[in-house]
Amino acid sequence: DGGITQSPKYLFRKEGQNVTLSCEQNLNHDAMYWYRQDPGQGLRLIYYSQIVNDFQKGDIAEGYSVSREKKESFPLTVTSAQKNPTAFYLCASSISLTTDTQYFGPGTRLTVL
Amino acid sequence: GNSVTQMEGPVTLSEEAFLTINCTYTATGYPSLFWYVQYPGEGLQLLLKATKADDKGSNKGFEATYRKETTSFHLEKGSVQVSDSAVYFCALNNNNDMRFGAGTRLTVKP
Repeated sequence: DGGITQSPKYLFRKEGQNVTLSCEQNLNHDAMYWYRQDPGQGLRLIYYSQIVNDFQKGDIAEGYSVSREKKESFPLTVTSAQKNPTAFYLCASSISLTTDTQYFGPGTRLTVL
Repeated sequence: GNSVTQMEGPVTLSEEAFLTINCTYTATGYPSLFWYVQYPGEGLQLLLKATKADDKGSNKGFEATYRKETTSFHLEKGSVQVSDSAVYFCALNNNNDMRFGAGTRLTVKP
């Protein structure tokens, strides 16, 4: 089955630690995205990538970093510089940056203690 | 800029009731419009979409019509089920700029 996987589903970290969230897709999509979801709010774009070895900042990139070394993978690192990292993180992909429909993974809930 | 406004929840209905969740948008040009659904603890699933004015998207009994004159994309279902309980997000994509509404939580009681 084609799809997007995110791991782990739940993640706990101590304040001041960096943490990396995994996102893998086997849909052969070129474009991938990371969003943050907070309670009662819509999704906000953190980073996106339209092709391997390329990525761009979204609306709330501060305190986050990404890499795109493989087409299938787009990991997100939440650094200690992110002031309020506790949130639900969603990865998405689309055929290309210009394709209008995005498909989402199941999400990772990060709690910083 | 591009933005989406949807009705605040929560919405609570009895099974078999009629559902409407309002969504309006602001955008220049001709965005594509979407409804996504999120079940507890899960990611977003695409429910339906429409890409041009007067298009009607439909799926699983849900419908929404792209109304350019009122910049709206209201979600409707004639008879809701308990299994429809979820958070519904209206969204637009305008020239690769994807914007989401805040989400509307729907609870359907037996």
